[in-house]
Amino acid sequence: AQSVTQPDIHITVSEGASLELRCNYSYGATPYLFWYVQSPGQGLQLLLKYFSGDTLVQGIKGFEAEFKRSQSSFNLRKPSVHWSDAAEYFCAVGPNFGNEKLTFGTGTRLTIIP
Amino acid sequence: ETGVTQSPTHLIKTRGQQVTLRCSSQSGHNTVSWYQQALGQGPQFIFQYYREEENGRGNFPPRFSGLQFPNYSSELNVNALELDDSALYLCASSSQKRGSSGNTIYFGEGSWLTVV
Repeated sequence: AQSVTQPDIHITVSEGASLELRCNYSYGATPYLFWYVQSPGQGLQLLLKYFSGDTLVQGIKGFEAEFKRSQSSFNLRKPSVHWSDAAEYFCAVGPNFGNEKLTFGTGTRLTIIP
Repeated sequence: ETGVTQSPTHLIKTRGQQVTLRCSSQSGHNTVSWYQQALGQGPQFIFQYYREEENGRGNFPPRFSGLQFPNYSSELNVNALELDDSALYLCASSSQKRGSSGNTIYFGEGSWLTVV
């Protein structure tokens, strides 16, 4: 069975500081990996996805993520956070045939302090 | 803007009642999935429809049912509502092509259901 672990429930960073959100997955085949962001009371916005190819994936809003098969990880990074990045971040894994049967982690809430 | 719209945005129901939530996908999106997101949790897969037929189901009881229509709209129906059904219900759609992969999945903003 596939699963996703986001070890950090809540992270607080200063505006302008770098950010790394952790994601570990368990999947029996080549995974299809996503990071989504959710602002309070809103739906999910796709930040980036990894299907195959280059293991460093660039996304929207200056985010990137690196797929490391040996560590079963897909950590999200941003070199300099902005106050508007405060939100809930979800990592998800799915079958690599591209359908929507995704398994999500429990999320990491990001707080930005001035 | 994902092109996926859901209605209603908020509703309150009483335990034991039935509810229907609606989703309108982008034109050409032949696949729709529904997710339940309880407060403080990640979304949980309920089921998926592909070309109007159920194409996979998560760990949800039969009182959760769905329909997908030819006009790219879909419904989630929940019977005999329980307090634990209170959650944000998300619709996700994409255009799956046979033999392809890596399709982009678009989420709506969800319907907030409160069961009292």
